[in-house]
Amino acid sequence: AQSVSQHNHHVILSEAASLELGCNYSYGGTVNLFWYVQYPGQHLQLLLKYFSGDPLVKGIKGFEAEFIKSKFSFNLRKPSVQWSDTAEYFCAVNRGDTGRRALTFGSGTRLQVQP
Amino acid sequence: EAGVTQFPSHSVIEKGQTVTLRCDPISGHDNLYWYRRVMGKEIKFLLHFVKESKQDESGMPNNRFLAERTGGTYSTLKVQPAELEDSGVYFCASSQDSYGNYGYTFGSGTRLTVV
Repeated sequence: AQSVSQHNHHVILSEAASLELGCNYSYGGTVNLFWYVQYPGQHLQLLLKYFSGDPLVKGIKGFEAEFIKSKFSFNLRKPSVQWSDTAEYFCAVNRGDTGRRALTFGSGTRLQVQP
Repeated sequence: EAGVTQFPSHSVIEKGQTVTLRCDPISGHDNLYWYRRVMGKEIKFLLHFVKESKQDESGMPNNRFLAERTGGTYSTLKVQPAELEDSGVYFCASSQDSYGNYGYTFGSGTRLTVV
C-alpha cells in the first residue's frame, strides 16, 4: 500500500521568507501527485498537481513543486510567503496505473506566517 | 459552477445514536469520494462511487458505516450506531474522472462529534 510522509508538522515563518515543505511517498509504480491547501474555515483547495511531463510544476498563488522520482519526493516551494498563506498544506498521491484511484494523504503541515 | 456541498456542517450526537451525512457533488461528476480526518491525523479514504456503484469501499472502518448514492447524484453516509471514535471531520470530494486529471473538488466537510 502506498503512504505519504510530510516531515514538517508545524512551520512558522516571517513574511517574505522562503518556504519548502517536504513530501515523500512510498510506491514504486506510477503515481499522480497533488498538493492541497486548507485555509482557516475553508474547504480543501487544489494548489497544483503532477501527472507527467516537466517535473517542475507551477500552481496557483506562486507555489511550485518539484517531482524527483529517484527520491520519491514532491516538495512544495514558494520563494516569498505572505501572511495570507497561513493554512494547512496536504500532499497527496494516487496510483496512475491500476488499483485505488482515491487520494492517499500525508498528515498535513500547518504553516503559520507572522507579519 | 456550484461546488461540492455537504450537510450538516456540524453534528453533535450521543454514543449509540444514528447520524446521516449528505454530500452533493458537482453536477456531472460521476466520481464521488468520502474521506475522514480524525483528531488532527491524516485524511483517510473511506470509499469511492462511480455513478451509483461502489468502486472501492476498502476504507470503510466497519459495518456501522453505510454509504449510498441513489441515482448517481447525491450521496449519504450513515453511521449507526455511532461510537466515540467516529468523531472527526468527514469530507466528500467529486471529480470528472477517477484519476483526478482535472483535480478533485472537496466540500467543506461535516464535523461529527460523538459524546
